Amino acid sequence: ETGVTQTPRHLVMGMTNKKSLKCEQHLGHNAMYWYKQSAKKPLELMFVYSLEERVENNSVPSRFSPECPNSSHLFLHLHTLQPEDSALYLCASSQDRGPGGGSTDTQYFGPGTRLTVL
Amino acid sequence: AQSVSQHNHHVILSEAASLELGCNYSYGGTVNLFWYVQYPGQHLQLLLKYFSGDPLVKGIKGFEAEFIKSKFSFNLRKPSVQWSDTAEYFCAVPDSWGKLQFGAGTQVVVTP
Repeated sequence: ETGVTQTPRHLVMGMTNKKSLKCEQHLGHNAMYWYKQSAKKPLELMFVYSLEERVENNSVPSRFSPECPNSSHLFLHLHTLQPEDSALYLCASSQDRGPGGGSTDTQYFGPGTRLTVL
Repeated sequence: AQSVSQHNHHVILSEAASLELGCNYSYGGTVNLFWYVQYPGQHLQLLLKYFSGDPLVKGIKGFEAEFIKSKFSFNLRKPSVQWSDTAEYFCAVPDSWGKLQFGAGTQVVVTP
């Protein structure tokens, strides 16, 4: 079993829908991350959680809402998305997070959710 | 702010050729450097990392990278590639806040 799992793997939604992405890590890590991977652009860090505490990235629109109920699970709630939000959303975890919300520990990534917003 | 530059967006080469992918970064306060790889249909995974010590780092599958502090570079190399090295390669460097910044990636295609 892989260390970080994500569901669903593919999601198509309309701009008025509400959906959630789920991530689960089985590695006993303390930090979890959401990234956005768009074509021809670097991975963009969206959110960081450590021991269920959120370090917010201020550049993320409010239509993305993360939730971390415990150190093993991370959700990304989506509502009223735009077509430009279509991308691969990656979850990752690491043993700990560093100062400022980042981490220099090795990050372990999930397979991603391919999101298409119509 | 940290920026990470990967100079080649696409590289096509034949099996047994040598590979070198460039990575330069702007913020020099960091000494933690990473290369991640994403094989077709697979997860993004760590290829190698440098934290301290010998600036020449060995990773999995015969890859190595050299940290040159004076040049703000962390180039990835492999002397003889295989078809299975076809993948996208990402350099990643923390910024001044410790957040990992990724380069745009280099798509490597190895032809038989």
